[in-house]
Amino acid sequence: AQKITQTQPGMFVQEKEAVTLDCTYDTSDPSYGLFWYKQPSSGEMIFLIYQGSYDQQNATEGRYSLNFQKARKSANLVISASQLGDSAMYFCAMREGHGNNRLAFGKGNQVVVIP
Amino acid sequence: GAVVSQHPSWVICKSGTSVKIECRSLDFQATTMFWYRQFPKQSLMLMATSNEGSKATYEQGVEKDKFLINHASLTLSTLTVTSAHPEDSSFYICSASGTLTIGVAEQYFGPGTRLTVT
Repeated sequence: AQKITQTQPGMFVQEKEAVTLDCTYDTSDPSYGLFWYKQPSSGEMIFLIYQGSYDQQNATEGRYSLNFQKARKSANLVISASQLGDSAMYFCAMREGHGNNRLAFGKGNQVVVIP
Repeated sequence: GAVVSQHPSWVICKSGTSVKIECRSLDFQATTMFWYRQFPKQSLMLMATSNEGSKATYEQGVEKDKFLINHASLTLSTLTVTSAHPEDSSFYICSASGTLTIGVAEQYFGPGTRLTVT
């Protein structure tokens, strides 16, 4: 069964606008972590933001924020004030349990920021 | 801190030959390294997990005799693609976690190696 689901087609975003990338997950483990990574065309994976399953508040990192809705098992990424350099693939990933660093990745969302 | 390098960044080889890809943690000790494969426009698929000094754990469907992984030190893991075929052409990415996994970015990724088998 797919653990991470990202179903949005490629998205075009106007520069300076906000964009929300959807991510739903599936786990029965009460302890898990959710990650978002950015992959530009060069290929490297850039860590953006993390949300732990027991975290009470939604994670924020600069222009990135995570809309964590535990009951719905969703962890959407919000990028505010989009910049041209935000054009990339964005992957949601989940780690289950403690001491287990294995990550399961979603299929990714393509974002293109247009001026 | 937490820099992971990969070498080479790209390689072209002939079908039937073997290719070795190195993954190094430059400023921390990586007790665990992960190897992923990514086909064009697809997600990262975990191939194997390697712990320093022990045998790698391969994901289902990954041939351990074809993808040889060695994690002989706390800063170096290698992936050798043996008897490469064109279908092995892909983007191979390593990541590392260990003693300097600060904050919650528990895996630090290398820049990837693009393998093309002709």
